[in-house]
Amino acid sequence: GAVVSQHPSWVICKSGTSVKIECRSLDFQATTMFWYRQFPKQSLMLMATSNEGSKATYEQGVEKDKFLINHASLTLSTLTVTSAHPEDSSFYICSARDPSGDYNEQFFGPGTRLTVL
Amino acid sequence: GQNIDQPTEMTATEGAIVQINCTYQTSGFNGLFWYQQHAGEAPTFLSYNVLDGLEEKGRFSSFLSRSKGYSYLLLKELQMKDSASYLCAVLDSNYQLIWGAGTKLIIKP
Repeated sequence: GAVVSQHPSWVICKSGTSVKIECRSLDFQATTMFWYRQFPKQSLMLMATSNEGSKATYEQGVEKDKFLINHASLTLSTLTVTSAHPEDSSFYICSARDPSGDYNEQFFGPGTRLTVL
Repeated sequence: GQNIDQPTEMTATEGAIVQINCTYQTSGFNGLFWYQQHAGEAPTFLSYNVLDGLEEKGRFSSFLSRSKGYSYLLLKELQMKDSASYLCAVLDSNYQLIWGAGTKLIIKP
């Protein structure tokens, strides 16, 4: 199957700093990528849909000025958590849909565990 | 509104069979996915159903009834490594994935 990488795997930062997370599709071009957040023992929560060359579409309740998404190329999307606070500590996962895939399934990156002190 | 229901937790014995059910109510339907997620890891794709019936893939099978808004994931010959959360997700009319909360499956020796 298609491979999606995510970097970094984990990050610890101080409150008030910004953190950038990269998501790359390694062997396919992804016009659309998705950013999820998952709190412990809860399901995935879609934060935004990242579209190459255009603005991201944010889900209701997600602050676009706090979670900046840039999808500059067909293989890279970035999520920047600005002025991070302890309540932003979570598991952030990106995914991409391979348009040539058989099932329209999303392939997930390994996730980034963010801890804000 | 859109809604996907699946049991929160199930327990089964190594070597046995377990069926995880999923019911859904969504605006449109373009397929149903099952994903497996081990603790601390990202989900991995297990199966996709868009037509009614049973899809078999090794020890895992997935069933769909669109008229009933119902699916199940069947796991046979359970192994300890099958302990994980199993997520049901539906692709709606906008091709957006609607996720269930997941079923935590505990396998006992």
